[in-house]
Amino acid sequence: KNEVEQSPQNLTAQEGEFITINCSYSVGISALHWLQQHPGGGIVSLFMLSSGKKKHGRLIATINIQEKHSSLHITASHPRDSAVYICAVNTRGGADGLTFGKGTHLIIQP
Amino acid sequence: DTGVSQDPRHKITKRGQNVTFRCDPISEHNRLYWYRQTLGQGPEFLTYFQNEAQLEKSRLLSDRFSAERPKGSFSTLEIQRTEQGDSAMYLCASSLVLGGPPLSTGELFFGEGSRLTVL
Repeated sequence: KNEVEQSPQNLTAQEGEFITINCSYSVGISALHWLQQHPGGGIVSLFMLSSGKKKHGRLIATINIQEKHSSLHITASHPRDSAVYICAVNTRGGADGLTFGKGTHLIIQP
Repeated sequence: DTGVSQDPRHKITKRGQNVTFRCDPISEHNRLYWYRQTLGQGPEFLTYFQNEAQLEKSRLLSDRFSAERPKGSFSTLEIQRTEQGDSAMYLCASSLVLGGPPLSTGELFFGEGSRLTVL
């Protein structure tokens, strides 16, 4: 079992829909990251959080440390939001890199 | 500053050849990370540097792999005697982490990656 699990693996939605991507992890963490990867490979950091909630534009990220769960929400989705969204964690006591989920492939249709 | 840059973006080589990738981080960043990503999978941690010191290496980094960051600025990742299983995207990221225990990478800034194909 992976230490970081994302759901769904694939998601297709219509423009304007509210999108939720979930991330569960099984280890103690010091921080959780949400990343966006477009075709071609480039990765952009969206959020880094260790508690509560953060908002940036149409993106909202929440984390529940007790439940070891985080969600990424996209409001008023747009085709340009189509990408792979990756959840990653800094594990306490582990190698000081990130442990990544496999990603959620999101397609927003016009 | 234009962000993290990686070179080359694409490399095709024959099995058994050596390849070297270069990463130029954001200039004021003290941390530099290397990750590997295969098709359909999330990235996997390979190694990281704080300034010029290599502080952690993954079990994935076999003895054919070596990484350096000699002056605490750019970094190179060399793969010797490449194998077909080395085909992947090699991602570099940098961050600025000041003080405190090393329990977080800080906010990471990624390069576009170097895609390796071993024939």
